[in-house]
Amino acid sequence: QMQLLQSGAEVKKPGASVKVSCKSSGDIVPGHYIQWLRQAPGRGLEWMGWINPKSGAYYRVQGLHYRVTLTWDRSLTTANMEVDSLTSDDTAIYFCAEGPKYIYVWGQGTTVTVSS
Amino acid sequence: QSALTQPASVSGSPGQSITISCTATTSDIGYSVSWYQQRPGEAPKLLIYDVYNRPSGLSPRFSGSKSGNTASLTISGLLSEDEGQYFCSSYSSGTFLETVIFGGGTKVTV
Repeated sequence: QMQLLQSGAEVKKPGASVKVSCKSSGDIVPGHYIQWLRQAPGRGLEWMGWINPKSGAYYRVQGLHYRVTLTWDRSLTTANMEVDSLTSDDTAIYFCAEGPKYIYVWGQGTTVTVSS
Repeated sequence: QSALTQPASVSGSPGQSITISCTATTSDIGYSVSWYQQRPGEAPKLLIYDVYNRPSGLSPRFSGSKSGNTASLTISGLLSEDEGQYFCSSYSSGTFLETVIFGGGTKVTV
């Protein structure tokens, strides 16, 4: 089964940017998406958006689309998510995930802490 | 897509069955519903997709159903390892993915 390996934990100051990478162990099946979600401490899952590795199309949820950039590096089979202008509200575990629409495979999560 | 409402917590004794509901607040929930289990400190795990379907290899103790604007996850023969958070999710039913929404999660205690 395909696996997703995410980059390590990050600590950032307010106003900074963070980039989280998500390495796929194999090619993404056509019609499947890489989705991004986050989970603030003690909270539920917040869906952030997706990128289609085959077409390059992407979607970011309203409210985050000004600050979130989603990319796919075909040569490295790696998805990247960058969040700009960080605030303490962005402190969370960030997950990448893969599947046709529902999520079949999850990354292990990347903890991002925003603190002055 | 409307918001999804789940009970905050559900509990049961070992061997019993429990059901977790997931209600769409403004419209029919449709047939594009999935369920995930998240144990403490772990990433979520897919349990059910498209309302009823289990991924290959998943225990048949987990089953999904739907009635009107409410989808449900039933866990039969409760085990201590079933403790954790359970999330429902709804996604667009067309050919291409649009938006995805998640319920607030239900804590299951055995």
